[in-house]
Amino acid sequence: DADVTQTPRNRITKTGKRIMLECSQTKGHDRMYWYRQDPGLGLRLIYYSFDVKDINKGEISDGYSVSRQAQAKFSLSLESAIPNQTALYFCAISSGSMNTGELFFGEGSRLTVL
Amino acid sequence: AQKITQTQPGMFVQEKEAVTLDCTYDTSDPSYGLFWYKQPSSGEMIFLIYQGSYDQQNATEGRYSLNFQKARKSANLVISASQLGDSAMYFCAMREGWSGGGADGLTFGKGTHLIIQP
Repeated sequence: DADVTQTPRNRITKTGKRIMLECSQTKGHDRMYWYRQDPGLGLRLIYYSFDVKDINKGEISDGYSVSRQAQAKFSLSLESAIPNQTALYFCAISSGSMNTGELFFGEGSRLTVL
Repeated sequence: AQKITQTQPGMFVQEKEAVTLDCTYDTSDPSYGLFWYKQPSSGEMIFLIYQGSYDQQNATEGRYSLNFQKARKSANLVISASQLGDSAMYFCAMREGWSGGGADGLTFGKGTHLIIQP
């Protein structure tokens, strides 16, 4: 089984719809992240969480919300999707200990907003 | 100012040749880490190599090495003896501060699309 699992892997929706992307991990790491990837722009941080009670905004949090339901689960919501939120979304985890800080990524969720 | 700059949007290289992918970074934090990730056409993000700011030697992992020039703030990825399977997007990324001390993830560059030609 993958260490980081994202669902759905692909989703097509319409403008104004509410969308939730879910992420779960089996590594027991404290830190979880949501990134967005757009062609030519690299990956940009949306939200991150250090534990269930610690949620932080990233570089591009407007239009998004998150929920850390448990240590292993971190979901990203688009309350009212718009076309420029069409992107590839990645969930990532990190142990947060005195290590390199390497991120382990899920396989990505491709979202298309029509 | 961008924290991570990758100046090569795309590169074409002949198979078996060595490849250097450029990355420069900007930080005032004395403690930081530099990473390279590979993203093949299938989309997953694959960690390749890491260099810490206090590491005395350049990092190596198999055919990958990181040419770390601290004074110039550059962290170029070198792929020796390139293979067709190396064709992918490559991202340079940086962590500022200790990972155990509140690091808020990695900052990524915009990537370099590498195509290996037979």
